[in-house]
Amino acid sequence: DADVTQTPRNRITKTGKRIMLECSQTKGHDRMYWYRQDPGLGLRLIYYSFDVKDINKGEISDGYSVSRQAQAKFSLSLESAIPNQTALYFCATSSTADSPLHFGNGTRLTVT
Amino acid sequence: GENVEQHPSTLSVQEGDSAVIKCTYSDSASNYFPWYKQELGKRPQLIIDIRSNVGEKKDQRIAVTLNKTAKHFSLHITETQPEDSAVYFCAAKLQGAQKLVFGQGTRLTINP
Repeated sequence: DADVTQTPRNRITKTGKRIMLECSQTKGHDRMYWYRQDPGLGLRLIYYSFDVKDINKGEISDGYSVSRQAQAKFSLSLESAIPNQTALYFCATSSTADSPLHFGNGTRLTVT
Repeated sequence: GENVEQHPSTLSVQEGDSAVIKCTYSDSASNYFPWYKQELGKRPQLIIDIRSNVGEKKDQRIAVTLNKTAKHFSLHITETQPEDSAVYFCAAKLQGAQKLVFGQGTRLTINP
């Protein structure tokens, strides 16, 4: 089945470290997104991309960067991790702006 | 920009009873309203969506209603079952915008 795959599933890192979360998809969708989930705050958009040459900031992009290496790959980086970036991170794809989001399984990140 | 408020944050109902979750949005130009269900430890998945040109949509035990005048939309689950226990997220998209804005989520618990 076509899917959205995130790696790693869990990551513990220390303050100040640089880390990368990876996302790949076999759905053939052009649109890819990175969301952050915190209890009581819902899903907040970090960055989104509509093709390899298109990168857009979301609501909470400070402290994050992204790379769209190919149509199927979209990576999220934390240049210098801090404890309040501890959260559950989801990658998602969609075919159009009004079509359903297809989420990956999530990456649980803990920054100590 | 768009803002989405979701209530209640937690909801507990007896199995077989109905559950209603309500969301309000700020921008009258919003035209797409999906609902996502996230079971414990899993990824969010679309369960139903509605567009601004209709007032109600049903899919078996799930229905969504939209009141454009009051700028709110609601998820109705009838004859609740234990497998309905999950976190539910509403979202809204401005016409012409390229991204969704999510509500804060509702944790629904079905008591046997």
